[in-house]
Amino acid sequence: EDQVTQSPEALRLQEGESSSLNCSYTVSGLRGLFWYRQDPGKGPEFLFTLYSAGEEKEKERLKATLTKKESFLHITAPKPEDSATYLCAVREGTYKYIFGTGTRLKVLA
Amino acid sequence: ETGVTQTPRHLVMGMTNKKSLKCEQHLGHNAMYWYKQSAKKPLELMFVYSLEERVENNSVPSRFSPECPNSSHLFLHLHTLQPEDSALYLCASSLGRSQLSTDTQYFGPGTRLTVL
Repeated sequence: EDQVTQSPEALRLQEGESSSLNCSYTVSGLRGLFWYRQDPGKGPEFLFTLYSAGEEKEKERLKATLTKKESFLHITAPKPEDSATYLCAVREGTYKYIFGTGTRLKVLA
Repeated sequence: ETGVTQTPRHLVMGMTNKKSLKCEQHLGHNAMYWYKQSAKKPLELMFVYSLEERVENNSVPSRFSPECPNSSHLFLHLHTLQPEDSALYLCASSLGRSQLSTDTQYFGPGTRLTVL
């Protein structure tokens, strides 16, 4: 069964303490991997799209990487405003996107 | 207005009411989606429309009825809902091209639905 698993489920960091979030997937034909940030009560906000193993994308304190079986979202020197739920999704067909349950990140000042 | 908008942002309804959720996208996309988001569960795809034609319907109860009058607007009509239908309902859009490997979905802010 095609699925996306994110770990850890929740993460608490001190401000400035770098860490990584994991997204592992098992799909028959990957057609894109996506990272989103979601604040409470709001819709997911697009962060990155990755397609090829070895690909990397960066935006401010965030860096996303992709291998054949997983993706990492690295957060460097996080700030309290980075606190949110981070969602990973893979695209399997034209309209089929499979989402993980997310990692709830809390950054303490 | 830019991106994907949804109205209302919050909705409380009784089990016998009829209401509608509205979504509008200003991105020139061809595909529009309805998702249900419940606590600690992955987003559940409900319906997909491409160029106003329904292309996916994931075993959603008939008390949810979608409508896509044009490629920019999407509605979700609700009637005789159950308390377990309470959730955040998200609308998304994408270019909808199978050949485009990086076809990204963009989401609206969601409608928080509470069924009493």
